[in-house]
Amino acid sequence: QVQLQESGPGLVKPSQTLSLTCTVSGGSISSGNYYFSWVRQPAGKGLEWIGRIYTSGTPNYSPSLRSRVSMSVDTSKNQFSLKLSSVTAADTAVYYCGLGLGYWGQGILVTVSS
Amino acid sequence: DIQMTQSPSTLSASVGDRVTITCRASQSISSYLAWYQQKPGKAPKLLISKASSLESGVPSRFSGSGSGTEFTLTISSLQPDDFATYYCQQYYSYSTFGPGTKVDIK
Repeated sequence: QVQLQESGPGLVKPSQTLSLTCTVSGGSISSGNYYFSWVRQPAGKGLEWIGRIYTSGTPNYSPSLRSRVSMSVDTSKNQFSLKLSSVTAADTAVYYCGLGLGYWGQGILVTVSS
Repeated sequence: DIQMTQSPSTLSASVGDRVTITCRASQSISSYLAWYQQKPGKAPKLLISKASSLESGVPSRFSGSGSGTEFTLTISSLQPDDFATYYCQQYYSYSTFGPGTKVDIK
C-alpha cells in the first residue's frame, strides 16, 4: 500500500523560501517512470496545481508559479521536494504531494506570516 | 494555459437523485481528464481517470463521459456519503483543476 507523507515547517516568514518534502512508503519510486506532484489549497478555496517532477528529474511547473518554484527527486531516500521562493500571505495553504493521479498525502498546512 | 470550468458551482440534491456535473476545457484535452471527490479536511480522492475509467473500489454509481472539451460526471443515485466537493483535472498539457462543484443536501 503506497503512502505519502508531507513534512516541513508549518510557518514561513514572508519573502523566505517554503521547503517541503514528501516521503513515499510502500514501494520504491525508482522502480518505474512515475511523476510526483504538488497541489495546494488555500482555506475554503479550490485546488491549485503547482507542478510535477518525473522520476527522471524532468519537472513541469505551473506557468503562474514557474518563476518561484523548483522541485527535485531523491530516489535514494524515496522522497521528492518542493521549494517556493519569495512567499507572501497568498501562499498560505494546505500543500498536498501526490504520486500519479491516485495517491495523495494527507496535506500539510503552511502559513506565511511574520 | 488550459483553463477548466465547472458547472454548476453548487448543487443541492437529495439522496437518490441523479446528479450531473459538467466540466469544460478551453481547448481539446482528448480524454486526459480526471474527476476527484474531496471532503473537508481530506485529500482529494480519485474517482475517474481518462474521462471514463472508474478507479478500483469506486462505486459503480459514479460514471464519467466526454472527450475533447466537454465532460460530465454522473452519480446515478446520490448516497449520503456522496455529499462533497468534486473537481475535474486536465492532465493533457501540464495540469489544471476546475474550480469545483459542491454537492450539498437539499
